Amino acid sequence: QVQLQESGPGLVKPSQTLSLTCTVSGGSISSGGYYWSWIRQHPGKGLEWIGYIYNSGSTYYNPSLKSRVTISADTSKNQFSLKLSSVTAADTAVYYCARGARDFDYWGQGNLVTVSS
Amino acid sequence: QSALTQPASVSGSPGQSITISCTGTSSDVGGYNYVSWYQQHPGKAPKLMIYEVSNRPSGVSNRFSGSKSGNTASLTISGLQAEDEADYYCSSYTSSNTLVFGGGTKLTVL
Repeated sequence: QVQLQESGPGLVKPSQTLSLTCTVSGGSISSGGYYWSWIRQHPGKGLEWIGYIYNSGSTYYNPSLKSRVTISADTSKNQFSLKLSSVTAADTAVYYCARGARDFDYWGQGNLVTVSS
Repeated sequence: QSALTQPASVSGSPGQSITISCTGTSSDVGGYNYVSWYQQHPGKAPKLMIYEVSNRPSGVSNRFSGSKSGNTASLTISGLQAEDEADYYCSSYTSSNTLVFGGGTKLTVL
């Protein structure tokens, strides 16, 4: 059974970089041809796809966030990570990692990140 | 890319059937058979209920079914149960090689 777990700070100051890591167990992120995504959900709102990584290094981002987003992978730790730069209060959200690119069959439990000074 | 359009809320009584619509454009819902549906209970992560318009993942009840006509996809839940009360989101692959979600629908089981 594949499991995903997000980790990272719950509070980030404005203009700083938000960094989150997703640890995957029960399967390798570098095999099986799977895509690994980040998705966020603003408080009380809907879901927003951020981007994905596949083949341990190829990435694709939501154009609306592309200039601020970096997704990378550490296959030795079976993890993939999200960095979102120059954050503002509008980036306050629950951040989820998930497996897939067109549909998401496994999700982490979510990590609430609040942007505030 | 604009969000897909879903009704804000739907309701039904136990045992009834309900349908949630998800309207997009020919650049997303209408153009590809990559529409998915997710169920989300409060404080929980979304759960995949339907993928590629009408396919159910293993373990999902056959009371859940999906379909598509033109630019509108639909999720039907038959034999409503109390545990079906949740938020439901649709998503679609787009011609920009991105993924767009619907705004979500709150299902209330009366």
